[in-house]
Amino acid sequence: EPEVTQTPSHQVTQMGQEVILRCVPISNHLYFYWYRQILGQKVEFLVSFYNNEISEKSEIFDDQFSVERPDGSNFTLKIRSTKLEDSAMYFCASSSTGVETQYFGPGTRLLVL
Amino acid sequence: KQEVTQIPAALSVPEGENLVLNCSFTDSAIYNLQWFRQDPGKGLTSLLLIQSSQREQTSGRLNASLDKSSGRSTLYIAASQPGDSATYLCAVTHNAGNMLTFGGGTRLMVKP
Repeated sequence: EPEVTQTPSHQVTQMGQEVILRCVPISNHLYFYWYRQILGQKVEFLVSFYNNEISEKSEIFDDQFSVERPDGSNFTLKIRSTKLEDSAMYFCASSSTGVETQYFGPGTRLLVL
Repeated sequence: KQEVTQIPAALSVPEGENLVLNCSFTDSAIYNLQWFRQDPGKGLTSLLLIQSSQREQTSGRLNASLDKSSGRSTLYIAASQPGDSATYLCAVTHNAGNMLTFGGGTRLMVKP
């Protein structure tokens, strides 16, 4: 069964450093998403991406964040200058259409020191 | 702004019990509602998707219902097993976009 994959599974970084989180969505899906979950809190939406552009973003997704689909298979989330409060589990998801089931990857646990 | 609430926050039951998890949302203008399972430190596994025009969906021992007008959904788990122990999340999509808004989850423990 097709799956969303994410790398790395864990990342530790120093405050102020740039990080890139990588995702490979399910191959025939057209809609891609990033969410995050701070420990003990709700899963929060960050951004959705369709047709090579951002279709929706939350207030969390400020100028420090960017997304890219550099080739036909990868979808990346970049945090330019990490803060302590960026420590969270980051989930990538994809769906075939914008309102069908979203399939989630296993997550990248980011720890900012 | 859509708010999704799940009650109870935690639930412990003996194996074999039938149980109901509750989800409520404040804005009834939704496209669909999804139920997910999350194991500790892991990703989210989609269990059921209910379109706004549907009243229920079933998959194996799971049955999810939706009452859109009252802003409620329930997830019924029949004959619970220890392997069902996990956190169950509900999430809704809005009419205006595709983002999912999540509830805080119900942490279920099924004791052998």
